Amino acid sequence: DAMVIQNPRYQVTQFGKPVTLSCSQTLNHNVMYWYQQKSSQAPKLLFHYYDKDFNNEADTPDNFQSRRPNTSFCFLDIRSPGLGDAAMYLCATSRDAPGGGTDTQYFGPGTRLTVL
Amino acid sequence: AQSVTQPDIHITVSEGASLELRCNYSYGATPYLFWYVQSPGQGLQLLLKYFSGDTLVQGIKGFEAEFKRSQSSFNLRKPSVHWSDAAEYFCAVGARGNTPLVFGKGTRLSVIA
Repeated sequence: DAMVIQNPRYQVTQFGKPVTLSCSQTLNHNVMYWYQQKSSQAPKLLFHYYDKDFNNEADTPDNFQSRRPNTSFCFLDIRSPGLGDAAMYLCATSRDAPGGGTDTQYFGPGTRLTVL
Repeated sequence: AQSVTQPDIHITVSEGASLELRCNYSYGATPYLFWYVQSPGQGLQLLLKYFSGDTLVQGIKGFEAEFKRSQSSFNLRKPSVHWSDAAEYFCAVGARGNTPLVFGKGTRLSVIA
């Protein structure tokens, strides 16, 4: 089945220790997104790639970076995690919709990040 | 800019009872509308979507939603709730052009026996 895969599902890191979260997709979608979701809150978009074009949300901290080496993979790098970065990180993909705009977003299962 | 309001933070229903979750959106043109469900510790799963055409949309797991332009609403309904429907439900709106979805804050559904 075509899907969005996130690894690892659970990540524990120490305060200030860099961490990388991984997302891969077999849907061949051209758009990939990273969201941060804290407990009982809506997902908050951090950035997205439209093909190779990187789009950063204005309020995404500089501490968060992303790489997309090819269509299938996208990485979220947190350079110096703080306690406030503990959250669920969701990856999603979509493609261009007929008539313009982006089509349905398909989400991975998420990576739960704990910062000690 | 688009915005989404889900007025109910938490709803409790009895198993077998009907359900309606409210969603109001703000957008100047015809929006793309979505309902997602999230079980604890999981990602978001698409329940249904509206792009155009028939304003009553059928989704998975017996859910449906109705787009009402005059009320700027896209309420989610289910005639008979099952205990497994207990989860967080998110309404989202998208737009034409390369603009990501805007999510509501979610409604947590609890199901009691």
